[in-house]
This record gives sequence, structure tokens and C-alpha cells, in this order.
Amino acid sequence: GENVEQHPSTLSVQEGDSAVIKCTYSDSASNYFPWYKQELGKRPQLIIDIRSNVGEKKDQRIAVTLNKTAKHFSLHITETQPEDSAVYFCALDTGTASKLTFGTGTRLQVTL
Amino acid sequence: DTAVSQTPKYLVTQMGNDKSIKCEQNLGHDTMYWYKQDSKKFLKIMFSYNNKELIINETVPNRFSPKSPDKAHLNLHINSLELGDSAVYFCASNLAGGFTEAFFGQGTRLTVV
Repeated sequence: GENVEQHPSTLSVQEGDSAVIKCTYSDSASNYFPWYKQELGKRPQLIIDIRSNVGEKKDQRIAVTLNKTAKHFSLHITETQPEDSAVYFCALDTGTASKLTFGTGTRLQVTL
Repeated sequence: DTAVSQTPKYLVTQMGNDKSIKCEQNLGHDTMYWYKQDSKKFLKIMFSYNNKELIINETVPNRFSPKSPDKAHLNLHINSLELGDSAVYFCASNLAGGFTEAFFGQGTRLTVV
């Protein structure tokens, strides 16, 4: 199956700092790249997504960048707040096989 | 008005038992999934269905049998439960063809003792 590597597995930042999480993949047919946030004990929820024809997308404090040539995409969170503490998952889909594959997750801790 | 609902939320059972988890979505989605989330928080796809038809079966033991009576429901039956089956199982759905948000159920925490 599709391989999605996600780094780092844990990330601790101080409130107000930026956080960056990166994912790399192998299947060049992948064309949809969402990011999900999972708070403790809750379900994963979409926070931002990007399609392969776009290089960058921003929504307030979060942004996603995609490099299709290098096959990696990243989540950027600026001005982090304690409520950003959660596990973040990258994911991807080829759009043809009904198979949404997730990365291994990053536990983000925002400290005061 | 829950979009994706799964029951039960918690399930504690003995090894060797058979159990089922039910999932229903009222979003009109065509595709439904089962994911297993282990203690390390990895979200591994188990199955996907598109309009009641099995699309993906990710080398899951045949003790796990999904059933989709209609496109709004995807149930998971597990035979002869083992300790290693303990995990949180998530149902999810999205529109066929990808490119769209997947909505998750609340999860079912299965504990096999």
C-alpha cells in the first residue's frame, strides 16, 4: 500500500512559536493531501487540505505547502496556542481507489 | 444530527467472543471506511466500501468481516476476538472520488480481556 512517512513523531513548542510537521510519500498518483487534528479522546477532524494543482493554502494560523516533485507536504502552525495541543495526521488519496491513507501522526504539545 | 455515528462507544469482552460494531452516516456519502487506531495512535485503514461494494481490504485477518447493507451503513463483525484486537475502531465516510473531507464517527474502544 501507499507509504506516508510523517515527522516528527512528537513536537514540543512554546506558546507563540511556530510548528512544522512534514510528510513524504511515494505514490505519484496521490493528488489530495488533507491534515487532520485529533484531540485527546476525540475523533480526527479535518483542519486543512490541499489538492495537487495548488502549491500552498492558508487558513488563518495554519497553512499547508505541497512539493509534488519532491513528494512532500507540510503543515505550518503559527502563533501556537495551548488548544493546538493534539495529535496531527497527514493523509493522502489518489482520488480513484477510495483509500484515504494516514501518516503515523505527530503529537504536538504547546507549553505556556 | 450526528453525521457519522457508531455504536457501541465502549466494548469490553473476553477472548474468543464474537462482537459487532455498527456505523451509520446521514451525509449521503458513497464511501465508508473502517480504521483501527492502536495504542501508538497509528490510524490504519482496514476496509473501504463504495456504494455497498468492498473496495479495499488491507490484509486484515478474515476474523474481521465488514458488511454494508446499504450505502449509509457499514458494520464490522469480529469473530474469535484476540488480545491484539484491543484498539479504538473508527468508522468514517466521504464522497466517492476522493478530494473531500472524511467525517469520522466517535470511535469504539474495544478491550479484549
